[in-house]
Amino acid sequence: ETGVTQTPRHLVMGMTNKKSLKCEQHLGHNAMYWYKQSAKKPLELMFVYNFKEQTENNSVPSRFSPECPNSSHLFLHLHTLQPEDSALYLCASSQDGGGANYGYTFGSGTRLTVV
Amino acid sequence: LAKTTQPISMDSYEGQEVNITCSHNNIATNDYITWYQQFPSQGPRFIIQGYKTKVTNEVASLFIPADRKSSTLSLPRVSLSDTAVYYCLVGDMRDDKIIFGKGTRLHILP
Repeated sequence: ETGVTQTPRHLVMGMTNKKSLKCEQHLGHNAMYWYKQSAKKPLELMFVYNFKEQTENNSVPSRFSPECPNSSHLFLHLHTLQPEDSALYLCASSQDGGGANYGYTFGSGTRLTVV
Repeated sequence: LAKTTQPISMDSYEGQEVNITCSHNNIATNDYITWYQQFPSQGPRFIIQGYKTKVTNEVASLFIPADRKSSTLSLPRVSLSDTAVYYCLVGDMRDDKIIFGKGTRLHILP
């Protein structure tokens, strides 16, 4: 357990479904991130939140919609996804939005399969 | 963010010392060097971070030469459980995001 909890661990959804991924951290961090990792590819940064404000949207399609109600919780709302969106979605948090001290803490991810 | 180059893959045997070198020729004065480890279907895990010379913790050592254009992660006496992808990242401590490269896929053999 890293201190960053992601649910669900596995998700299978149809292309017309709407689902949400949840991330929660109790480390006192104030920055949270969503990354996507497709098979055999590097991690891709999707969104960055600092103090609940979105500071980065890395050209992510609108079918992915992030929400950060407070510094401890981060959601990724999914709708009308495509099969190529199947991947491991990772949440991370950090203190002060930077690489200070011991960097970033990642959750174990949600393995998403779009059918 | 400084670009890094590291070997795509490496093999080693249990009990051996493994050294993974990362090149970062355009590292900036304020940049730190950080290494992460990732097991399949898990998020990356921080291993070690340094600025210059040598840093050691209970998991690994990080060697950084004076010019800081490269760094070497050293894993002492590896075991099968050290099989993972290792990422070298270089960035300013104030960066609000980190960009991962392809990493080095380390495979430990019995």
